[in-house]
Amino acid sequence: GAVVSQHPSWVICKSGTSVKIECRSLDFQATTMFWYRQFPKQSLMLMATSNEGSKATYEQGVEKDKFLINHASLTLSTLTVTSAHPEDSSFYICSARGTDTISNQPQHFGDGTRLSIL
Amino acid sequence: DAKTTQPTSMDCAEGRAANLPCNHSTISGNEYVYWYRQIHSQGPQYIIHGLKNNETNEMASLIITEDRKSSTLILPHATLRDTAVYYCIAAAWNFNKFYFGSGTKLNVKP
Repeated sequence: GAVVSQHPSWVICKSGTSVKIECRSLDFQATTMFWYRQFPKQSLMLMATSNEGSKATYEQGVEKDKFLINHASLTLSTLTVTSAHPEDSSFYICSARGTDTISNQPQHFGDGTRLSIL
Repeated sequence: DAKTTQPTSMDCAEGRAANLPCNHSTISGNEYVYWYRQIHSQGPQYIIHGLKNNETNEMASLIITEDRKSSTLILPHATLRDTAVYYCIAAAWNFNKFYFGSGTKLNVKP
């Protein structure tokens, strides 16, 4: 149980285009989803927290107009990298947490999306 | 959220127990300790979590000191497939934002 799927797993696109990454919780409903990015040989960095039906909360230093997050349902959140440039190339990972906010249940992570901007 | 400190890397012989320490001396009363691991180019995999009692599941055991300032993840019989970066995270149960530290690179050797 607790499977999180990301799509696509790998994308290459030209500078200036926008790229959408999907994150789905397959066998549970997720009130909260998180988006991270990871550069080579570095740790995961939290970008934003998204709650179903409300605006995402971005971490300090993350441009909300650059990284658009939509969490329209309890099983789907999307991250759109707008007008992507080579410096946006990274490994983007999402995670999801179930709707039972009383418990201390962990986040479950997707397998990531490797984004390369040429 | 409390900051965690872990050794950069550790070696372990295949078949032996791997004991991975984590320091979280500023942990708050409502923060749990979560352990994840990340194998190259994959998303982090959940291992175990706890508040103050020791915990065990099919993957590992988690030992938390009585003062909760540190913990140890134990993989009882390490295999080559356990080679990964292991992350220890302290996070409040009700909001649950994770701030990852540098983790420990565990190298399991034959």
